[in-house]
Amino acid sequence: SQQGEEDPQALSIQEGENATMNCSYKTSINNLQWYRQNSGRGLVHLILIRSNEREKHSGRLRVTLDTSKKSSSLLITASRAADTASYFCATAAPTDKLIFGTGTRLQVFP
Amino acid sequence: NAGVMQNPRHLVRRRGQEARLRCSPMKGHSHVYWYRQLPEEGLKFMVYLQKENIIDESGMPKERFSAEFPKEGPSILRIQQVVRGDSAAYFCASSPQPATNEKLFFGSGTQLSVL
Repeated sequence: SQQGEEDPQALSIQEGENATMNCSYKTSINNLQWYRQNSGRGLVHLILIRSNEREKHSGRLRVTLDTSKKSSSLLITASRAADTASYFCATAAPTDKLIFGTGTRLQVFP
Repeated sequence: NAGVMQNPRHLVRRRGQEARLRCSPMKGHSHVYWYRQLPEEGLKFMVYLQKENIIDESGMPKERFSAEFPKEGPSILRIQQVVRGDSAAYFCASSPQPATNEKLFFGSGTQLSVL
């Protein structure tokens, strides 16, 4: 299966600390996307990185992609309590569908 | 531009009944994806439709489940003769282009509970 695996499954940090989540996948991709889901809600797109890109930034978010290792990481800097959510990576293959990973549950304590 | 609209938000059915879940994509979006999510798990791909056509239904059970995206009106995910194992959150997402080129916009989901 192409499904991504995320690591860690759960992460607890204090406000102001950085949070790093990792994603590994199995097959070749066109792009990799990160989404956020608050409890009981739909997913919100955070960032998209294409297979020919290595790093991308958006505000406090930094995403890296290593296609040789089939892995990506999401770094949230200076975390806030409002960042508490589940974070999912998703890979887009040439078959045009988006396959989601298992997710990382992030808890940020005030 | 309203977001992706899903209804109902919550749906309760007894075993053996039919469940119809509706999804209105964002204006201008012709690509619709359906996903299913169990508690504490990731999203499992079910089906991908592009206006009146099913592009990929590899994640959808062959029996009891069907999906459509008519020329006019919302996309419908239909589950016949529901069983308790169908209880889950069902999310719809839309995009103007395929996911290989574009991010997805998600609805708030329909929580299906089968009694």
